[in-house]
Amino acid sequence: LAKTTQPISMDSYEGQEVNITCSHNNIATNDYITWYQQFPSQGPRFIIQGYKTKVTNEVASLFIPADRKSSTLSLPRVSLSDTAVYYCLVGDKAIKAAGNKLTFGGGTRVLVKP
Amino acid sequence: EAGVTQFPSHSVIEKGQTVTLRCDPISGHDNLYWYRRVMGKEIKFLLHFVKESKQDESGMPNNRFLAERTGGTYSTLKVQPAELEDSGVYFCASSRFGPPSSGNTIYFGEGSWLTVV
Repeated sequence: LAKTTQPISMDSYEGQEVNITCSHNNIATNDYITWYQQFPSQGPRFIIQGYKTKVTNEVASLFIPADRKSSTLSLPRVSLSDTAVYYCLVGDKAIKAAGNKLTFGGGTRVLVKP
Repeated sequence: EAGVTQFPSHSVIEKGQTVTLRCDPISGHDNLYWYRRVMGKEIKFLLHFVKESKQDESGMPNNRFLAERTGGTYSTLKVQPAELEDSGVYFCASSRFGPPSSGNTIYFGEGSWLTVV
C-alpha cells in the first residue's frame, strides 16, 4: 500500500494561496493521486485527481513532479469556507476490479483566518 | 444528479442491539464502498461491491458486520450485535466502473453517525 505523509495542520489568511505537499514515496505505476476535502460532520468531497504533471480545475491545482513521489495541492485565494481537512490519497487497485480502494491518512487541517 | 445518500444520518442504540445502515449510490455507479471512522482514528476502508458482488471485504472488522447489495443497487450494512467500539461515522461511497483515467472518481455520502451506549 502506498502510504502518504502530509502536514498535520496549516494556518492561512483569507485571500492567500495555500499549498499542501504530500509525500508518497512508494506510489505504484498504476496509482492515481487524489485529494479530498472534508468539513466537520460531512463526508469527504472530491477536489482533484491526477497522474502526473499538472492538473487544474475550478477549485484547485495539483502539481506532480516527474518521479511522482510527492504532489502539491494548491488552493488559490482561500476564503474562510475553505477551512477543512484535506486528504491526499493514492488509490490502490482493487484485485479483479477497476475500482479504487482509498487509504486515508490523517489529513491536513487547514485553518483560514480572517 | 443526486449524490450518495445514507440513512439514517444519526443513530443511537444500546450495546447488544442491531442497527442497519442504508446507502443509495449515485445512479449508474457499479462500485459501492463502505468506510468508517471510529473515534480518534482515521477513515478506514471496510468493503467494496461491484454491482451485487463483494469484490473486497478485507476491511470488515469481524463477523458482527454484514453488508449486502441485493440487485446491485442500494446497500445495507448491518451491525449485530453492536458494541461500544462500533461507535463512529460510517461513510458510503460510489463510483463508476472503470479506472481513474476514465474519470472514475469516488464520491462519498454524508455519513451515518452511530453511537452505541
